Amino acid sequence: EPEVTQTPSHQVTQMGQEVILRCVPISNHLYFYWYRQILGQKVEFLVSFYNNEISEKSEIFDDQFSVERPDGSNFTLKIRSTKLEDSAMYFCASKEWGQGNQPQHFGDGTRLSIL
Amino acid sequence: QQPVQSPQAVILREGEDAVINCSSSKALYSVHWYRQKHGEAPVFLMILLKGGEQMRHEKISASFNEKKQQSSLYLTASQLSYSGTYFCGTVIVGSQGNLIFGKGTKLSVKP
Repeated sequence: EPEVTQTPSHQVTQMGQEVILRCVPISNHLYFYWYRQILGQKVEFLVSFYNNEISEKSEIFDDQFSVERPDGSNFTLKIRSTKLEDSAMYFCASKEWGQGNQPQHFGDGTRLSIL
Repeated sequence: QQPVQSPQAVILREGEDAVINCSSSKALYSVHWYRQKHGEAPVFLMILLKGGEQMRHEKISASFNEKKQQSSLYLTASQLSYSGTYFCGTVIVGSQGNLIFGKGTKLSVKP
């Protein structure tokens, strides 16, 4: 069964450094998402992406964050200058169609640790 | 804006039943249920659309009351494998389909 893949599985970065998290969505999917989950807390929406542009973003997704689909298969999340509070599990998700009647398939996540 | 889930935690013996509720103050297009085991990604269980239809995944079923903007997840004859945290994710009418998750319900099934 096709799946969403994320790399790396664990990223350790010094505060203030830039980090790029990578995702390969399921190949025929058109909608892409990033979520984050601080340890022990709920999953929080960051951003949605469709047709090579951001379609919606949350308050968490400030100017330090950016997303890109550089080559038609990868979907990346960049954090420009990391802060301690960016430490979390970051999940990429994709779905085939729009609206809210399609399941979002999650990758296994990248655990980001900021020191 | 986030949906409210109840209860926060449930402890069951194998074979017992449980109900998890999810309610929203916003008009919903759909409700999605996920189960997450410790250290793993959320796994999709089912989607409930407007219309109040019931869905089923193995011995887990769910309903959506559109008038009350409330969904309930029913776990019947629970198995050890049901243990995990259950999240409801809501899609608000007019949004781009992004999921707004509740805080989760931690379910522990004991032998």
